Amino acid sequence: SAVISQKPSRDICQRGTSLTIQCQVDSQVTMMFWYRQQPGQSLTLIATANQGSEATYESGFVIDKFPISRPNLTFSTLTVSNMSPEDSSIYLCSVELLADPFTQYFGPGTRLTVL
Amino acid sequence: GQQVMQIPQYQHVQEGEDFTTYCNSSTTLSNIQWYKQRPGGHPVFLIQLVKSGEVKKQKRLTFQFGEAKKNSSLHITATQTTDVGTYFCAGSLTDSWGKLQFGAGTQVVVTP
Repeated sequence: SAVISQKPSRDICQRGTSLTIQCQVDSQVTMMFWYRQQPGQSLTLIATANQGSEATYESGFVIDKFPISRPNLTFSTLTVSNMSPEDSSIYLCSVELLADPFTQYFGPGTRLTVL
Repeated sequence: GQQVMQIPQYQHVQEGEDFTTYCNSSTTLSNIQWYKQRPGGHPVFLIQLVKSGEVKKQKRLTFQFGEAKKNSSLHITATQTTDVGTYFCAGSLTDSWGKLQFGAGTQVVVTP
């Protein structure tokens, strides 16, 4: 396994502002993903974070709203832009490890509340 | 598009009883994975099934992958209070490298 950290762990934000969430892994990683989990719901994949290139977004998610960076193999950021209360959710990063492909390990999540 | 359906949505279990949660995909999967999420926690990987008809056991948990690789089940025997949480199945397609489609999850409540 690996140690996956996310910052911040939680935040309360005003509508119209933006929040950047960081994900850091202590092991060699092949794939990194960002998910959203609304209260009591399942996980929805936002995008695959690609190292050194634009992220691959899933249907319903766009770069202008959720810009993602991945400057190196073990670090990625997700920004939630121009937030509205509908963006209140838990945002999770997950990784596939070089040593354990096809298995996804999740970070602890960032609980976002938008007022 | 691909859909992964999971039933039941909720499961109330008396401590010591058995239960099963089921997962069905509309398309053939390359593999299926199971995760457990405790209340307030994040999903934790339990198992991955790859082969048609595969059965794997982890102590009181038995995981099966159907012959057609479209369905899977998780059976827990002699449920304990530590089994509380939401169990998610997640399917992967052969042409979608690394991408998982999560089921809705089965929320398990255990009554002592």
